[in-house]
Amino acid sequence: SQKIEQNSEALNIQEGKTATLTCNYTNYSPAYLQWYRQDPGRGPVFLLLIRENEKEKRKERLKVTFDTTLKQSLFHITASQPADSATYLCALGGGGSYIPTFGRGTSLIVHP
Amino acid sequence: DAGVTQSPTHLIKTRGQQVTLRCSPKSGHDTVSWYQQALGQGPQFIFQYYEEEERQRGNFPDRFSGHQFPNYSSELNVNALLLGDSALYLCASSLRGSYPWMETQYFGPGTRLLVL
Repeated sequence: SQKIEQNSEALNIQEGKTATLTCNYTNYSPAYLQWYRQDPGRGPVFLLLIRENEKEKRKERLKVTFDTTLKQSLFHITASQPADSATYLCALGGGGSYIPTFGRGTSLIVHP
Repeated sequence: DAGVTQSPTHLIKTRGQQVTLRCSPKSGHDTVSWYQQALGQGPQFIFQYYEEEERQRGNFPDRFSGHQFPNYSSELNVNALLLGDSALYLCASSLRGSYPWMETQYFGPGTRLLVL
């Protein structure tokens, strides 16, 4: 069955550094990959979508890569700020599956 | 521009009871998807409604049912509640019956359901 892995341990970084979060998947060839931000007790907020034929996508301080050979997506936040502290979820879809599959998320903590 | 709204925000039920959760999509959106998010887990897709019909369904039993109204708002009903149904229930809206992973989804704040 499809499996998505996101680092369960929280990522702690210093303000101003680049945060890099990883999303690995197995038994799946998704056509789309999304990243969301979720704050405690709130619904996820859409950040970026990347398609399988796109290697990289950027939006302001955010950058996402999608390596279909490694079956991995990397999510980068440059010049991180304490306000970036949240849980970040990746979600996969397409490629023969009509149901979106979410990872359990990685908690990012940016220290001032 | 009103975003996705959900009601109630919190709910406590006992095993065996039935519950109805409500969702109003973002203004201009016509498609509603429902998700269940257990503590520490990612959201799990329950089903999607478009044009008042269930279009796609995840791996959830028939105890989970839904409805979409002509104004695009939606309800999620869960019968014969189990302890394991305790979770945050999220509603997400999008456009034109698009697959949830193809387009931007706007999530509501969720309804926190506790089953005792």
